[in-house]
Amino acid sequence: GDSVTQMEGPVTLSEEAFLTINCTYTATGYPSLFWYVQYPGEGLQLLLKATKADDKGSNKGFEATYRKETTSFHLEKGSVQVSDSAVYFCALSDSGGYQKVTFGIGTKLQVIP
Amino acid sequence: GAGVSQSPSNKVTEKGKDVELRCDPISGHTALYWYRQRLGQGLEFLIYFQGNSAPDKSGLPSDRFSAERTGESVSTLTIQRTQQEDSAVYLCASSRTSGRVSETQYFGPGTRLLVL
Repeated sequence: GDSVTQMEGPVTLSEEAFLTINCTYTATGYPSLFWYVQYPGEGLQLLLKATKADDKGSNKGFEATYRKETTSFHLEKGSVQVSDSAVYFCALSDSGGYQKVTFGIGTKLQVIP
Repeated sequence: GAGVSQSPSNKVTEKGKDVELRCDPISGHTALYWYRQRLGQGLEFLIYFQGNSAPDKSGLPSDRFSAERTGESVSTLTIQRTQQEDSAVYLCASSRTSGRVSETQYFGPGTRLLVL
């Protein structure tokens, strides 16, 4: 079945540091890939997505590139801010008849001033 | 509505009691999903609705769990004879359609269930 593996946290960075959160996946077919973010006290919200190989999703300074050859979708940001502190979930949606989304375990990011 | 809403936001119950969780999706969204997020774990898919039908119930963990949707709108997730391992955050999401795999799912704030 489909699965998503992402690095466990927490990840603690100083403000303006470079961020990478690794994510790899296993899926049949051609899934769509997502990063969701959950800020403290808030619900899950979509951060970015990519629907086919080599697509790059980007939002709020975050980027992730759909790499089919390495089955990866790593999240990066060049300079993190305290306000980026949240839990980040990598996810995939299978290419079947509907969008059952499979989530990774989530990576907690703490950015300190 | 402006977003997906869920009620109650928190529920504490005693082991063996039944609970009902409610989800109000975004108006016009035909697809609705329930997930469970246990402490320290990722989200588990529970069930999916297209309109009022549930073509995939494969994620429901036991026959104590059931869900229904009416009027292609509100959905309720019912847990009978709750157990302590049912303690989790239950999340609901909706999307405009299930026909396109890239369709964004919008999540509600969740219901935090604690079974004592």
